[in-house]
Amino acid sequence: LAKTTQPISMDSYEGQEVNITCSHNNIATNDYITWYQQFPSQGPRFIIQGYKTKVTNEVASLFIPADRKSSTLSLPRVSLSDTAVYYCLFSSYNTDKLIFGTGTRLQVFP
Amino acid sequence: DTGVSQDPRHKITKRGQNVTFRCDPISEHNRLYWYRQTLGQGPEFLTYFQNEAQLEKSRLLSDRFSAERPKGSFSTLEIQRTEQGDSAMYLCASSLGGQSEQYFGPGTRLTVT
Repeated sequence: LAKTTQPISMDSYEGQEVNITCSHNNIATNDYITWYQQFPSQGPRFIIQGYKTKVTNEVASLFIPADRKSSTLSLPRVSLSDTAVYYCLFSSYNTDKLIFGTGTRLQVFP
Repeated sequence: DTGVSQDPRHKITKRGQNVTFRCDPISEHNRLYWYRQTLGQGPEFLTYFQNEAQLEKSRLLSDRFSAERPKGSFSTLEIQRTEQGDSAMYLCASSLGGQSEQYFGPGTRLTVT
C-alpha cells in the first residue's frame, strides 16, 4: 500500500475549523482514503472514507482533488473533545489490512 | 453493547511467560483483525481472519505468536515466551470486509517485566 505523509501535530482553539492534509503521491487506483481518530488508551475510530471529490458526514468532510495525491480532512468548529490523534490511511479491495502512519496529534485549546 | 470487546484490558507478566488474549468481535462481522501499537506509534497490522480462516500474517508475527479463530466468532492471540519488546497495546478489530470500516476494541495493554 502507498505511504501517507501528514503533519506530526496541530494546535487549534475551540470553535475553529481544522484542516489536516495528507499527502499520498503513489496512491493506487484501488485505494480508498480513510481517516481514523484515536483517543488515549482507546482503539481507533473510523471517521470518514472517500475515493475522490468530496465526502461529508455528520462529523467531518473529506476533500480529495482529481489527481488523488493528497486529501484534506476538515473538522468544523472543533471542541476540546476533538483532541486526539488523526490517522490518514488507505484501504483497498486487494487487502484488508490497514497501514497506519504516526498520525497527526491535534490539540484543541479553550 | 454490541461493540468489539477484549479481555483482559491489562496484563502484566514476567519475561518468559505465556499470555493469551481474547477478542469478541461484533457478531455479524466475518473479518477479524489483530494490531499492535507501541507508544507514540500508529497501530501495526499483525494478522486477520475471514471467518475461521487466517488469511494474512505480518512479518511482525514471529513464531512465538499464534492466533486462532476456531469457530469464526471470537479469536485468541497467544504470545509464548514473552519478551520485554512485546510490551504494547494489542488491538482487535472486526468488519464486514471489503471497504467497510473496521471497528476496534479497547485493546489489551501488555507489560512484560
